[in-house]
Amino acid sequence: DAMVIQNPRYQVTQFGKPVTLSCSQTLNHNVMYWYQQKSSQAPKLLFHYYDKDFNNEADTPDNFQSRRPNTSFCFLDIRSPGLGDAAMYLCATGVSRSYGYTFGSGTRLTVV
Amino acid sequence: AQRVTQPEKLLSVFKGAPVELKCNYSYSGSPELFWYVQYSRQRLQLLLRHISRESIKGFTADLNKGETSFHLKKPFAQEEDSAMYYCALSGLSGGSNYKLTFGKGTLLTVNP
Repeated sequence: DAMVIQNPRYQVTQFGKPVTLSCSQTLNHNVMYWYQQKSSQAPKLLFHYYDKDFNNEADTPDNFQSRRPNTSFCFLDIRSPGLGDAAMYLCATGVSRSYGYTFGSGTRLTVV
Repeated sequence: AQRVTQPEKLLSVFKGAPVELKCNYSYSGSPELFWYVQYSRQRLQLLLRHISRESIKGFTADLNKGETSFHLKKPFAQEEDSAMYYCALSGLSGGSNYKLTFGKGTLLTVNP
């Protein structure tokens, strides 16, 4: 049973064309995270939400934004994707610091 | 600031041999540490939490605060253990929120 679902699995977008990646969860976890993972690198945190409380990492590019309309859904918007934004984007959920996170399968973004 | 270091990018052992994946961390507060595993073409999964002091799939990890380490060990490696392993630390992300910071990962290959 997929509990953190990311759509689409693969996304191809044109340079400069806005793109939205989505994440949904059936776990009712109050915390949701977006990570970016480039080839052979560790996942890097972009944003996280504690309920509706939004937290932006200091080095997350301005080009990236996020929305969380309700507990179940979270979106990552890339306003003007560049070639350097090509990566795997991972969504994760959690309930507490000690619990550990549940990850989705990721969306692999290609920018052409 | 919090940092996780996995000094070995690649680790290759033979089936039945002991395996140790190293992880060192830097964090000024009380750390919560995890090991995540990613099998080929699968999502990132939680393997171990230090707070649980559990053994999963024969793997154990002990938090050593004196050496700031959380090495992952298994006495007898199996071929199905071949995967990418990430060490991660949950620490404060400003205010009262926490975030998970990953090491760069170690690719374990268990040869027959």
